[in-house]
Amino acid sequence: EPEVTQTPSHQVTQMGQEVILRCVPISNHLYFYWYRQILGQKVEFLVSFYNNEISEKSEIFDDQFSVERPDGSNFTLKIRSTKLEDSAMYFCASSETGDNQPQHFGDGTRLSIL
Amino acid sequence: GESVGLHLPTLSVQEGDNSIINCAYSNSASDYFIWYKQESGKGPQFIIDIRSNMDKRQGQRVTVLLNKTVKHLSLQIAATQPGDSAVYFCAENIGGYGQNFVFGPGTRLSVLP
Repeated sequence: EPEVTQTPSHQVTQMGQEVILRCVPISNHLYFYWYRQILGQKVEFLVSFYNNEISEKSEIFDDQFSVERPDGSNFTLKIRSTKLEDSAMYFCASSETGDNQPQHFGDGTRLSIL
Repeated sequence: GESVGLHLPTLSVQEGDNSIINCAYSNSASDYFIWYKQESGKGPQFIIDIRSNMDKRQGQRVTVLLNKTVKHLSLQIAATQPGDSAVYFCAENIGGYGQNFVFGPGTRLSVLP
């Protein structure tokens, strides 16, 4: 069964540095998403992306964050000037369409900011 | 009420019994709902979905019930197995272009042998 893959599985970064989290969505999916889950808390929506532009974003997704689809397979989340509170699991998801379709999640990248 | 931090509601059931996990959602305009299962160290895994024009949907060993009057969802798991032990989240699509899902706080299901 096709799946969403994310790399790396664990990223450790010094506070203030930039990180790029990478995702390969399911190949025939057109909508892509990033979510965040702080340890022990619920999954929080960050951003959705379609047709090379952001469709929706949450209050969390401020100027520190950006997303990009640099080629036909990858979807990236860049976090600039990382802060301690950015430490979390970051999940990528994709769906076939944007109209009430299941989102399929990767296994996440654990981001640890030191 | 909403759980914060590590204090997830927990449901413990005997293997073979049926489980019912409940979720209150927030937005009366939400038109699409998903139940996800999350095992330790994994991403949320799709279990079953339901649209707001339905009140019940069945899958393999799972049933989702939707009560729009009181904004309540439930997930029923028949003949619960050890492999069902996980955290279960409901998610509602609060609308907007691009499917903005809001996740519930989650319920930890523990299956006792």
